[in-house]
Amino acid sequence: EAQVTQNPRYLITVTGKKLTVTCSQNMNHEYMSWYRQDPGLGLRQIYYSMNVEVTDKGDVPEGYKVSRKEKRNFPLILESPSPNQTSLYFCASKSSSSGGLYEQYFGPGTRLTVT
Amino acid sequence: AQSVAQPEDQVNVAEGNPLTVKCTYSVSGNPYLFWYVQYPNRGLQFLLKYITGDNLVKGSYGFEAEFNKSQTSFHLKKPSALVSDSALYFCAVRDMRGNAGNMLTFGGGTRLMVKP
Repeated sequence: EAQVTQNPRYLITVTGKKLTVTCSQNMNHEYMSWYRQDPGLGLRQIYYSMNVEVTDKGDVPEGYKVSRKEKRNFPLILESPSPNQTSLYFCASKSSSSGGLYEQYFGPGTRLTVT
Repeated sequence: AQSVAQPEDQVNVAEGNPLTVKCTYSVSGNPYLFWYVQYPNRGLQFLLKYITGDNLVKGSYGFEAEFNKSQTSFHLKKPSALVSDSALYFCAVRDMRGNAGNMLTFGGGTRLMVKP
């Protein structure tokens, strides 16, 4: 089954304690991205990756890091989480094409609470 | 810069009645438009998209959307709502910044409540 998986699904942590949220897709997609979802703001892109070893900032990258060492994985790293990073996080992937024809596939989400 | 507006935070409709979830957009160039649905505790699922061609696009679960270039709108519609359609709906537009159009800009979302 084609899918995007994220782990953990729920996480409560304290300010400053480094954490990683994993994301994996089995569709051989080139493009992967991370979003955060906050009420009334829709989804805002944090980082994206066009392919292995190619990453770039989205609209709200501050406080986050990513890496893309393998095509299927795209972990999100919070080096020193703060309460304003409490949010619902989604990983997504899509087949790259010129012009963005194809839809994105989303993971189930990770609800992060930073106290 | 492109943007998407969903003017209604919530839409209430009775089961069996037609529903409309509104979306307007602002882009330079030709818009690629998408609708996604989010059920409770789930990720976003793709419903339909408009790239080119017929202004009326049909998608999953009986939903359709009408592209109106003059009004820069892409409203989501369904002729007869089901209670199971209750969910959060997002409109999105292709974002051409920096990476060949793979990015999406999302609206704020509209919660659809279908009452029995």
